[in-house]
Amino acid sequence: SYVLTQPPSVAVAPGKTASITCGGHNIESKSVHWYQQKPGQAPVLVIYYDTYRPSGIPERFSGSNSGNAATLTISRVEAGDEADFYCQVWDSDADHPAIFGGGTRLTVL
Amino acid sequence: QVHLVQSGAEVMQPGSSVKVSCKASGGTFGSYTISWVRQTPGQGLEWLGRVTPSLGTTNYARNFQGRVTITADESTTTAYMDLSSLKSEDTAVYFCARANEGNGPFTYWGQGTLVTVSS
Repeated sequence: SYVLTQPPSVAVAPGKTASITCGGHNIESKSVHWYQQKPGQAPVLVIYYDTYRPSGIPERFSGSNSGNAATLTISRVEAGDEADFYCQVWDSDADHPAIFGGGTRLTVL
Repeated sequence: QVHLVQSGAEVMQPGSSVKVSCKASGGTFGSYTISWVRQTPGQGLEWLGRVTPSLGTTNYARNFQGRVTITADESTTTAYMDLSSLKSEDTAVYFCARANEGNGPFTYWGQGTLVTVSS
């Protein structure tokens, strides 16, 4: 079945840019959604269909998808951005249609 | 504004079944899909399956087929997830999540329900 690979952790200083990757075979042919999850809370959608931001999500959050990797980019990182981030796609494989990456812990130094 | 409110925490015996509910308010219940996603302690997210209330159709992840049943009651705008033959490894927080279209993003999430399986 289809596998999404994320780095376990990314650390960045406040005010800098964080990039979180989501690798998958020919992932550019799929639509990627990104979720932010803070401790003890439900996930929140931050990017959908590769590049779109839901209302209420800061413009500092952006997404891209090319080749075998999708990327979530957070500009001008703030302490409040610290969280786990998950990418997600839908796959035509009937065994497991909805697939999540393993998650990336973003630490703000 | 759409809200998904789940039932409270459960402590279950191994081998038993648990049924978790997810009541939706706001929006049109039947038009969307409701999925169930779980998160084991300290781990990532795992999709169990979904229901399309307006059609009554369901899809399940192969890992859970035969053990999970997802239903929806349009009259009460409530979705349910029933997981049987519980094992300690099923201890997790279970979330319901709504997608506005078949293979779209999970736009709204419930608050999560902790299910603990322990003898």
